[in-house]
Amino acid sequence: NAGVTQTPKFRILKIGQSMTLQCAQDMNHNYMYWYRQDPGMGLKLIYYSVGAGITDKGEVPNGYNVSRSTTEDFPLRLELAAPSQTSVYFCASSGQTPELYTGELFFGEGSRLTVL
Amino acid sequence: GNSVTQMEGPVTLSEEAFLTINCTYTATGYPSLFWYVQYPGEGLQLLLKATKADDKGSNKGFEATYRKETTSFHLEKGSVQVSDSAVYFCALLIYNFNKFYFGSGTKLNVKP
Repeated sequence: NAGVTQTPKFRILKIGQSMTLQCAQDMNHNYMYWYRQDPGMGLKLIYYSVGAGITDKGEVPNGYNVSRSTTEDFPLRLELAAPSQTSVYFCASSGQTPELYTGELFFGEGSRLTVL
Repeated sequence: GNSVTQMEGPVTLSEEAFLTINCTYTATGYPSLFWYVQYPGEGLQLLLKATKADDKGSNKGFEATYRKETTSFHLEKGSVQVSDSAVYFCALLIYNFNKFYFGSGTKLNVKP
């Protein structure tokens, strides 16, 4: 059982380039999330999804886009990369209630992105 | 609004020392509270949780009690091990919005 899988694990981008961070889960979870973790800071929610075809903004959505065409996949798109987007990105998922209400967020291993 | 405040790290302890990591929160509703742990190079994983006032969450020797009167959820362990070295995150969940709010994390270093 793979859980939540993120790719790539590491990436270096030049300013203005674009890329997509992939996230897939095999637990049939409805809820999926993208967080970023800056050094010495907590996790900030970028976007989340409550099911296929439904997405919504989190705390820091600017510069990012998401889509959710299937239950399994929740890619995060960075358009026109900027140095401020240098961070570690985590994808997470959770099932519907009652699993969601018990707080069991399942995280991927993270994707470390550097924009130069 | 909703937020979580944790004590700043890093916290450095010798093996078998007593650990406390403070966590306080503000919430617009009645939250559930959690501690997540992040080992080096890995994603976060749930350590323990409490869903109502006076509940005590426990796991792997760690404990935390949901104190509504002081809006706190401090993490404790009686005797830490080198393998407990990690970053610990306090978090809250507001049911109606299906959103988690995380603290900034506290790094724990345990020396042999």
